[in-house]
Amino acid sequence: GIQVEQSPPDLILQEGANSTLRCNFSDSVNNLQWFHQNPWGQLINLFYIPSGTKQNGRLSATTVATERYSLLYISSSQTTDSGVYFCAVEKNDKLIFGTGTRLQVFP
Amino acid sequence: DVKVTQSSRYLVKRTGEKVFLECVQDMDHENMFWYRQDPGLGLRLIYFSYDVKMKEKGDIPEGYSVSREKKERFSLILESASTNQTSMYLCASNGHREVRYTFGSGTRLTVV
Repeated sequence: GIQVEQSPPDLILQEGANSTLRCNFSDSVNNLQWFHQNPWGQLINLFYIPSGTKQNGRLSATTVATERYSLLYISSSQTTDSGVYFCAVEKNDKLIFGTGTRLQVFP
Repeated sequence: DVKVTQSSRYLVKRTGEKVFLECVQDMDHENMFWYRQDPGLGLRLIYFSYDVKMKEKGDIPEGYSVSREKKERFSLILESASTNQTSMYLCASNGHREVRYTFGSGTRLTVV
């Protein structure tokens, strides 16, 4: 089946720093999404981005479908950005998740 | 506000018990999904359903079954709970041709 790999697995930042999270996938996909899981376990959809670039405030994402990767950029990080970031791809009507990047932002 | 509701936030059960995890959505979504989340493994799909009374196996269905008697409700059943089923369980839903998935807040199950 399709493999979804995320890097780095863990990231520790000081408030105000920028970061880039990467997602590689092993096959063509219909859909790619980025999620943030807050410390209470709730998963929130950040971006639906099968290709191209999107921005939402301090967050932006780019997917290069032909090269099978996506990047999530977090600028001027805040403590509320802490949590786990998941990339998920849709193949055959199923959403397949990567193993996540755990981000900790300290004041 | 639309939502997916999971009946329990925390659950502790004994080995061998039959366990029901309930999920209800109020968005009239056709598709519903059950995932389990374990450290270092991300979310893995257990079962999903495209319509009432329909079910499909995901990547890790062993030890689980599901029931979808009504469109809004999707139940995950552990026929005989084992300690290796201790995990966080997440339910999700979306509509046909919808790109966004909505997740419940999860049930943290501990089997002792």
